[in-house]
Amino acid sequence: DVKVTQSSRYLVKRTGEKVFLECVQDMDHENMFWYRQDPGLGLRLIYFSYDVKMKEKGDIPEGYSVSREKKERFSLILESASTNQTSMYLCASSSILATGGGTEAFFGQGTRLTVV
Amino acid sequence: RKEVEQDPGPFNVPEGATVAFNCTYSNSASQSFFWYRQDCRKEPKLLMSVYSSGNEDGRFTAQLNRASQYISLLIRDSKLSDSATYLCVVNIGNYGQNFVFGPGTRLSVLP
Repeated sequence: DVKVTQSSRYLVKRTGEKVFLECVQDMDHENMFWYRQDPGLGLRLIYFSYDVKMKEKGDIPEGYSVSREKKERFSLILESASTNQTSMYLCASSSILATGGGTEAFFGQGTRLTVV
Repeated sequence: RKEVEQDPGPFNVPEGATVAFNCTYSNSASQSFFWYRQDCRKEPKLLMSVYSSGNEDGRFTAQLNRASQYISLLIRDSKLSDSATYLCVVNIGNYGQNFVFGPGTRLSVLP
């Protein structure tokens, strides 16, 4: 079974703190993603990565950065946490198909971050 | 216009009912199509991929109409455990990197 593991289920951080969210996948997937999910707004893409050290901005990258030093690990960094970053954060991975397109996205269990 | 639109819901149905969800997408370059279910405060999980020929998995049937850019999910003999939010998802482009999620339709199956 594909496994995507996020380092924490629940986090509480203070405004202004630097926050690291870690994600590891064990299926050698090329693509990794960070989303946030808020009530009424659905899933919104923050950043994605298609290879080691490669990253692309998603729809809402402001206030976030990412790091992919190894293929299996994709980290999301909140440089200076703010209360409007309180949310559910979901990591996902997927693979490229030889015929074009990609596999489904496999999600981690989510990290519920509260910034106080 | 949103890229992926779904029935607004919520759907409240009795146990044993048949329920159908509809989804439309706007980007004709969409390559892959999926239905996910998401339970409250949990991560989305793949329910089924959707193919042009249609596919069935037990009580669940998915259909894709590329010409109309329309995807459907049919649940027969609904169970209490089917209560969840159902997300229609399309993947655009050649490298599987662009997932577009619908807003979801919530289903409550009532005893």
